[in-house]
Amino acid sequence: EAQVTQNPRYLITVTGKKLTVTCSQNMNHEYMSWYRQDPGLGLRQIYYSMNVEVTDKGDVPEGYKVSRKEKRNFPLILESPSPNQTSLYFCASSLSPRLGGAPNEKLFFGSGTQLSVL
Amino acid sequence: AQTVTQSQPEMSVQEAETVTLSCTYDTSESDYYLFWYKQPPSRQMILVIRQEAYKQQNATENRFSVNFQKAAKSFSLKISDSQLGDAAMYFCAYRPPRKGRGSTLGRLYFGRGTQLTVWP
Repeated sequence: EAQVTQNPRYLITVTGKKLTVTCSQNMNHEYMSWYRQDPGLGLRQIYYSMNVEVTDKGDVPEGYKVSRKEKRNFPLILESPSPNQTSLYFCASSLSPRLGGAPNEKLFFGSGTQLSVL
Repeated sequence: AQTVTQSQPEMSVQEAETVTLSCTYDTSESDYYLFWYKQPPSRQMILVIRQEAYKQQNATENRFSVNFQKAAKSFSLKISDSQLGDAAMYFCAYRPPRKGRGSTLGRLYFGRGTQLTVWP
């Protein structure tokens, strides 16, 4: 089944303890992206990647790192989490970064990771 | 910065009735895409409908249709014959024109969402 898999689904941690949220897709997609969703703010893009070893900042990259060593994986790394990073995180992928109307441009989302930083 | 505005944090509708969710956006471009996504309590993000700015005809997907007013930069979603399963958070999203790597390619901007309640 074609899907974007995020792990974990829920995570509670403490300030300063490094963590990684994994994202993997099995559709050979070139484009991958991370978003955070906060009440009243909608979804905001953190980082995105056009292909292996190619990453760019979105609107809210501060406090996050990403890597794209393999096409299928795009982990989100919080080196020193803080309470303001408590949020719902989504990974998404697409065959094409154009994200338009063609079938190969559709964006597929993971199921989300609810992160709480105490 | 791109701006997508959803002015209705919450909306409600009676089952079988029609409801319209509003969305406005700010851009000086002419070639872009607009989307409506649905997020039910399961948190899954589901694409409801999309509209290419070049196309004047409003997009329609079964009970879902849009009113795209390019000059007014407005992109409202109409849900006809509302069903209980339509209850969800709805997000409007804007995809700017493709301008190559390092610019706007790969960018997608979301509004703050409208929580829709459907009453039986």
